[in-house]
Formats: sequence, structure tokens, C-alpha cells
Amino acid sequence: DAGITQSPRHKVTETGTPVTLRCHQTENHRYMYWYRQDPGHGLRLIHYSYGVKDTDKGEVSDGYSVSRSKTEDFLLTLESATSSQTSVYFCATRDVGSPLHFGNGTRLTVT
Amino acid sequence: DQQVKQNSPSLSVQEGRISILNCDYTNSMFDYFLWYKKYPAEGPTFLISISSIKDKNEDGRFTVFLNKSAKHLSLHIVPSQPGDSAVYFCAATLNYGGSQGNLIFGKGTKLSVKP
Repeated sequence: DAGITQSPRHKVTETGTPVTLRCHQTENHRYMYWYRQDPGHGLRLIHYSYGVKDTDKGEVSDGYSVSRSKTEDFLLTLESATSSQTSVYFCATRDVGSPLHFGNGTRLTVT
Repeated sequence: DQQVKQNSPSLSVQEGRISILNCDYTNSMFDYFLWYKKYPAEGPTFLISISSIKDKNEDGRFTVFLNKSAKHLSLHIVPSQPGDSAVYFCAATLNYGGSQGNLIFGKGTKLSVKP
């Protein structure tokens, strides 16, 4: 989706290091989400935001934190990366009643 | 426990024929259902949706059917084309028009359309 940019697109990091993934949107959507995709699990919600500084936990939030200080940016932080957090991470946004729009993902490898 | 289930990990169909992808859900409170398509190295893209007040929604070659009593929905693609080869995710939610409406996704079905 042209309106959602995830950075970086690829990252390799070591166990125990902090990692921050960034999602930037130009659509002015109110809601933003972080999902992870793993083989055999589909897409699972990590955290979401329903406004600036308003965030909540999703299904698999342990080991992750988020921040949203501006409408357009939603950051996902792994405080101390573990191998189980090796995954593809997708950011998504939407307005009320409209479908989710996804970014192209960040592939994170924790060695 | 999985609330949205796609029991077929993969499906292979000949070009020009019908593809039928199935999805079951357990929460009778879900009131909105969506299908997403995903190509490798890209994010999922929205395909089609249906509200629980309807039993069918059509958009070109794509039709979604909802059977609330069976808690089952299906996506029909007619005719199937090689470009339809992708992973298809079913998703469900409740109160989607409200303030949150988080989607619950199935594990996906990989569709291969052979020329």
C-alpha cells in the first residue's frame, strides 16, 4: 500500500538486543496495528492503537511495547529480542468501518 | 482456541475452473467477515467483505457466501486465473464499525492456479 511505509524492510539482530520497527502512514487513519506472521499461525495481533497515545495489547503482546506520539507513526519495540521473535511483522491502518490496509512488512531475524 | 479456522492449508485448481476457499468460525457474535489475498514479499491486500446481515456479496469474479447457522463462509473465484495464485486469509470481527473491531485471522490457504 502506497500510504504505509515500514522500516527497515529487513533486519538481522542478536538475541538480547533492543529493536525498534517503524510504521509511517500518510492516510491520516485513526487506527494502527502491528501483526506478526508465522508459518502455521497466520496473522496474529501484537498491539494496536486507536489514537495518539492510546494503545492496547493484542493476542501476542508479551515481549513487545508500542508507542504512538503522532497520528502518522506507530513504533514497535522489542526490548530484548529473542529467537522466538523471528518473524515477518506487518503494520496496518484503517478508518472506522473500513478494511485494514497493510504495509509490505519487515522481516526480522534474531540470531 | 482458534476462533477462525481455515482447515485447508493448500488448494490446487486448473485455470478457468472455480476455486472455493472455506472458513469456519466459532464466535457467533462476529458480525463482519473479510477475505485478504497475500503475494510473497508483500502485505495482505483486502479482497472482499460481507456483513452478517447478508448471505452473499459479489465483486466481479469473487463471491463470498455466509452461512450463519453453520458459522461458515466461503470465497468463490470464477473463473480462476494464474494471477490468483496467492495465500488467502479469512478474517472476522465484531463491532467493526465501532471504535476497535480488531480482526481475527485464520491461518490462510495457499491457492495455486495451474495454466
